[in-house]
Amino acid sequence: EDKVVQSPLSLVVHEGDTVTLNCSYEVTNFRSLLWYKQEKKAPTFLFMLTSSGIEKKSGRLSSILDKKELFSILNITATQTGDSAVYLCAVGTWGTGNQFYFGTGTSLTVIP
Amino acid sequence: NAGVTQTPKFRILKIGQSMTLQCTQDMNHNYMYWYRQDPGMGLKLIYYSVGAGITDKGEVPNGYNVSRSTTEDFPLRLELAAPSQTSVYFCASEGPGYQPQHFGDGTRLSIL
Repeated sequence: EDKVVQSPLSLVVHEGDTVTLNCSYEVTNFRSLLWYKQEKKAPTFLFMLTSSGIEKKSGRLSSILDKKELFSILNITATQTGDSAVYLCAVGTWGTGNQFYFGTGTSLTVIP
Repeated sequence: NAGVTQTPKFRILKIGQSMTLQCTQDMNHNYMYWYRQDPGMGLKLIYYSVGAGITDKGEVPNGYNVSRSTTEDFPLRLELAAPSQTSVYFCASEGPGYQPQHFGDGTRLSIL
């Protein structure tokens, strides 16, 4: 059974801290791994990773994929209160159609 | 630049009623998806479509039906609403190649 597991489930940090969110997966026919940020509404896209070892970076956020060990991490440096959200990891697979499997998310709260 | 549009935004149904959640996209994407998200959980795939006239079941299809008569529209039908279908429903579309999904703003559905 395909599955995506995120850890930790929730995290509370102070502004300025650095956080690392984890996503491990077991799927057949891996296509891509995506990170989304969700703040009460629809998920908004952060990163798509398809190749191992290549870091994607956007401002204070970065992510990397390890296809051998089947996991990805999302790093956020110098956290701000606006980073408070649920971060979702999704894995896309090839098959008879394109399916995506989502983890349950990590709830991040950044306190001033 | 509308993207993915879902209607309605909120709806309350009585047990046994039926309704259709509408989803339309203006990006000419072939791939479209319906997800449900229960409180504190990730997204679960209900149905997906790889093009007009082609639909397939996802992880949690029971109690739902879909159709895809045009590229733009992908309605989700609930025939006999049950309390277990209380959830937030997201529609998404995806372009060709390695592209992230674009999500609608969601429909919050309560069944009482």
